[in-house]
Amino acid sequence: GQQLNQSPQSMFIQEGEDVSMNCTSSSIFNTWLWYKQDPGEGPVLLIALYKAGELTSNGRLTAQFGITRKDSFLNISASIPSDVGIYFCAGCSGTYKYIFGTGTRLKVLA
Amino acid sequence: GAGVSQTPSNKVTEKGKYVELRCDPISGHTALYWYRQSLGQGPEFLIYFQGTGAADDSGLPNDRFFAVRPEGSVSTLKIQRTERGDSAVYLCASSAGARVGNEQFFGPGTRLTVL
Repeated sequence: GQQLNQSPQSMFIQEGEDVSMNCTSSSIFNTWLWYKQDPGEGPVLLIALYKAGELTSNGRLTAQFGITRKDSFLNISASIPSDVGIYFCAGCSGTYKYIFGTGTRLKVLA
Repeated sequence: GAGVSQTPSNKVTEKGKYVELRCDPISGHTALYWYRQSLGQGPEFLIYFQGTGAADDSGLPNDRFFAVRPEGSVSTLKIQRTERGDSAVYLCASSAGARVGNEQFFGPGTRLTVL
């Protein structure tokens, strides 16, 4: 099935550093979402974006809906150890069928 | 506060056997979804229910896969004649509706291993 391209695939960072990751698609979406998944758990929604160019924050997280509607970015500021996990982007061109990315695995070194 | 629950959490079966995976959505959520997550990948859409009916089953890989939601709440994903390639985590999600802005809440998944 279709998966969106996420980069980087994985990253090790020091606690306190800022993190950036992005997601690209060959298709246009009208909704972009960012999820975090911990081991043995289902994905948990972090941020949802509904408008091209939209910039939305949730605490230390900021995400943007790309102006072309084919990409999205997630930034995490001042990372902490509990930020470790897998981050997935997801796009939706209708109302319910999410297409997920391949994931960015984040490891934070204390 | 009950979220989406799935049982069993783990299921090991032999090739060729039949399995059923259960999903209990958040109470009052009319929309229910099944996704499959292979190792190292993101979830992939399988099927969407609105109420009791399967509104979109375009993600089911073949006719060995079938899902029901007879009373509009609990759903069961059924896999016949399992194959090793069916091994994955099967995630269930529910939402208050299927409109833009209706967040999908995911359960912890059932890890299926086919030997």
